Amino acid sequence: AQSVTQLGSHVSVSEGALVLLRCNYSSSVPPYLFWYVQYPNQGLQLLLKYTSAATLVKGINGFEAEFKKSETSFHLTKPSAHMSDAAEYFCAVSDRQAGTALIFGKGTTLSVSS
Amino acid sequence: DTAVSQTPKYLVTQMGNDKSIKCEQNLGHDTMYWYKQDSKKFLKIMFSYNNKELIINETVPNRFSPKSPDKAHLNLHINSLELGDSAVYFCASSSLPGANVLTFGAGSRLTVL
Repeated sequence: AQSVTQLGSHVSVSEGALVLLRCNYSSSVPPYLFWYVQYPNQGLQLLLKYTSAATLVKGINGFEAEFKKSETSFHLTKPSAHMSDAAEYFCAVSDRQAGTALIFGKGTTLSVSS
Repeated sequence: DTAVSQTPKYLVTQMGNDKSIKCEQNLGHDTMYWYKQDSKKFLKIMFSYNNKELIINETVPNRFSPKSPDKAHLNLHINSLELGDSAVYFCASSSLPGANVLTFGAGSRLTVL
């Protein structure tokens, strides 16, 4: 069964600092990987996805993630944090067969201080 | 124009009652999902329908019954509500079954007293 592990349930950074949110996946075959963001009292919004093209994926709001098969990782980064980045971030995995759903990690709360 | 809309947004009810949450998508997607987000923000898939056919049915009490009258609608009916059913329920849709981008609704917060 596929799964994702997000290391660190809470990450705090200063405005302008690097953001690094960690995600490791477990899958017997290369999966699809996603990062979603959830702002307070809202639904989830797609930040970026990896589906087997370039291993470095660029998303919205300046975020990017790199798929590393050897490390089974898909960490999310942003060079310079902004106050508006404070939110809950979810890594998710899906295999490539039809009929499967996204399996989400437990989420990482990002706090940004001025 | 909201892509995935859920009603109601908030629902407060007593234990033992029956309630429904409705979901509609105007994206032309074939597949719809219900996810449950608990108080620790953990998201778990409950059900998935593709063109009105149930394709995912996770280990969920049979008090929960999804219904898809057409591919644009997926409703969730819950019988005999329990305290543990309190959660935020998210509807989502995608253009292919699985392995694709999910578009989420804003969620329906259910509180059982």
